[in-house]
Amino acid sequence: QKEVEQDPGPLSVPEGAIVSLNCTYSNSAFQYFMWYRQYSRKGPELLMYTYSSGNKEDGRFTAQVDKSSKYISLFIRDSQPSDSATYLCAMISNFGNEKLTFGTGTRLTIIP
Amino acid sequence: GAGVSQSPSNKVTEKGKDVELRCDPISGHTALYWYRQRLGQGLEFLIYFQGNSAPDKSGLPSDRFSAERTGESVSTLTIQRTQQEDSAVYLCASSLVETDTQYFGPGTRLTVL
Repeated sequence: QKEVEQDPGPLSVPEGAIVSLNCTYSNSAFQYFMWYRQYSRKGPELLMYTYSSGNKEDGRFTAQVDKSSKYISLFIRDSQPSDSATYLCAMISNFGNEKLTFGTGTRLTIIP
Repeated sequence: GAGVSQSPSNKVTEKGKDVELRCDPISGHTALYWYRQRLGQGLEFLIYFQGNSAPDKSGLPSDRFSAERTGESVSTLTIQRTQQEDSAVYLCASSLVETDTQYFGPGTRLTVL
């Protein structure tokens, strides 16, 4: 079993819809959770970074963490065609420079 | 300032040849990471540098893979006697010691024929 599970998709939704992307993990030591967005033929870019269980909002994006269920989500409101990309969840155990453990990524397409 | 840069952006090589991939991290970033991303798969950690030393080489898939970093700056990932399964995008990231935020370069797309 992988430490981090993420549905690879692809996921297609109409413009303006709310998108829900999810990851589950098995390692209870993970404490820091990130969402990266990766456009085609580009490197991943950090979207959201959270530590605590609960919600963190940034514009149209909301990151949600439930440590008791080992489940994290990224919600995108009012989705735009420019949101079409692969979204990767990532997590680490301790503060400091350790390796990130990534999910496989979910390919998202927003249909105009 | 400038972000993480990688070169070449694309590399096509024949099976059995050696390749060198280069990463220039963000200036001042002491931590540097190499990842591999195979088609349809997530990022796979390869190696991590703190300064010029590599405290974690656990992800290197075989002894054909090696990496070095000099001057707490540029890093080179070398793959010897390339195999077709080495075909992937090789991504480099850097970060400040004090934070966990890793900034990624655009990657080098390696194709082994």
